[in-house]
Amino acid sequence: AQSVTQPDIHITVSEGASLELRCNYSYGATPYLFWYVQSPGQGLQLLLKYFSGDTLVQGIKGFEAEFKRSQSSFNLRKPSVHWSDAAEYFCAVAAPSGGGADGLTFGKGTHLIIQP
Amino acid sequence: DAGVIQSPRHEVTEMGQEVTLRCKPISGHDYLFWYRQTMMRGLELLIYFNNNVPIDDSGMPEDRFSAKMPNASFSTLKIQPSEPRDSAVYFCASSLEGVGTEAFFGQGTRLTVV
Repeated sequence: AQSVTQPDIHITVSEGASLELRCNYSYGATPYLFWYVQSPGQGLQLLLKYFSGDTLVQGIKGFEAEFKRSQSSFNLRKPSVHWSDAAEYFCAVAAPSGGGADGLTFGKGTHLIIQP
Repeated sequence: DAGVIQSPRHEVTEMGQEVTLRCKPISGHDYLFWYRQTMMRGLELLIYFNNNVPIDDSGMPEDRFSAKMPNASFSTLKIQPSEPRDSAVYFCASSLEGVGTEAFFGQGTRLTVV
């Protein structure tokens, strides 16, 4: 079974500074990889996803993530954070499948705090 | 489309009572997922449907939990009888196809069982 580890429960970053949120996964092959963001009291919104191909993927809101097979990682980055980026961030994986579908396996999340 | 719609947004009930959570997926989406979010366990997949048929319910914690999808535009998650440990935020999500397409989440139902 696949699993996801987000080692940082909380991260505090100054507004305008760069951001990197870590994500490691465990799976026998290369899974589908996702980053979601959850604002307080809201559902989850997809930031970006990786299936195959270019290991650097661009997402919405200026986020990007890099897949590193050798490290089983899919870290999320943003060059300059804004106060509105304060939220909970979830990394997720899913088993690639041709016929059926699997739901997402989520990490525990990283709470991002933005300092003025 | 208004997105995935869940109701109610908040539910407070007494232990032992039946609770029904409702979800309207995005029109045209073939997949519907129910997730539960707690502080201790994070986000967990409970069950998902494809074309109204339950595909995997291995995440349903106990027989007290049941889910139905009588048609393409409506699904329910029922807990009977409810217990305090069922307190959580329950999310419904839908996607156009399978895991390769984006899952759109509702705003969730915050359930409190006292």
